[in-house]
Amino acid sequence: AQSVTQPDIHITVSEGASLELRCNYSYGATPYLFWYVQSPGQGLQLLLKYFSGDTLVQGIKGFEAEFKRSQSSFNLRKPSVHWSDAAEYFCAVDTDKLIFGTGTRLQVFP
Amino acid sequence: DTAVSQTPKYLVTQMGNDKSIKCEQNLGHDTMYWYKQDSKKFLKIMFSYNNKELIINETVPNRFSPKSPDKAHLNLHINSLELGDSAVYFCASSQELRNTIYFGEGSWLTVV
Repeated sequence: AQSVTQPDIHITVSEGASLELRCNYSYGATPYLFWYVQSPGQGLQLLLKYFSGDTLVQGIKGFEAEFKRSQSSFNLRKPSVHWSDAAEYFCAVDTDKLIFGTGTRLQVFP
Repeated sequence: DTAVSQTPKYLVTQMGNDKSIKCEQNLGHDTMYWYKQDSKKFLKIMFSYNNKELIINETVPNRFSPKSPDKAHLNLHINSLELGDSAVYFCASSQELRNTIYFGEGSWLTVV
């Protein structure tokens, strides 16, 4: 069965530090992959997506993610985190429906 | 100019009541969804409609009944509400299946 794993439940970084959020998926064919962000009390905003082509995709707010087929991973990165990036981050894979990981809560310290 | 809008945003109701959440999208998409986010933030699809036809029904209790009067609307009606129905319900839409999904702001349902 298709699944998405986000191994880190909670990550804390200092403002200005780099960030990498991990995501691994389980799916037999080429997946469509997404990262969404949810700020407290808010809905889900699409950060970036991968369907095909260049395995390094750029998103909004300075985020990028790299699709690595050999590792079944789609990790999200940002070179310098801002306090406003504190939120819940969800990785998702679309097979015939969108399946979400359990989320990673990002806390940013000044 | 909200792309996917849902109402109400907050809803507090007693056990046993019947309630509805409305959703509208102005993106011209063919496919609409309902997702449920539980207290642990876990997101799971409930229903998917494509051109007003039910495509996905994820073993949701039949107390939950979606209705799509047209492609731009997908409402969720819940009968005989239970405590466990307390959650955030997200409406979403996409141009077609296996395409980028855009979410509404969510409806926070609390059953007391």
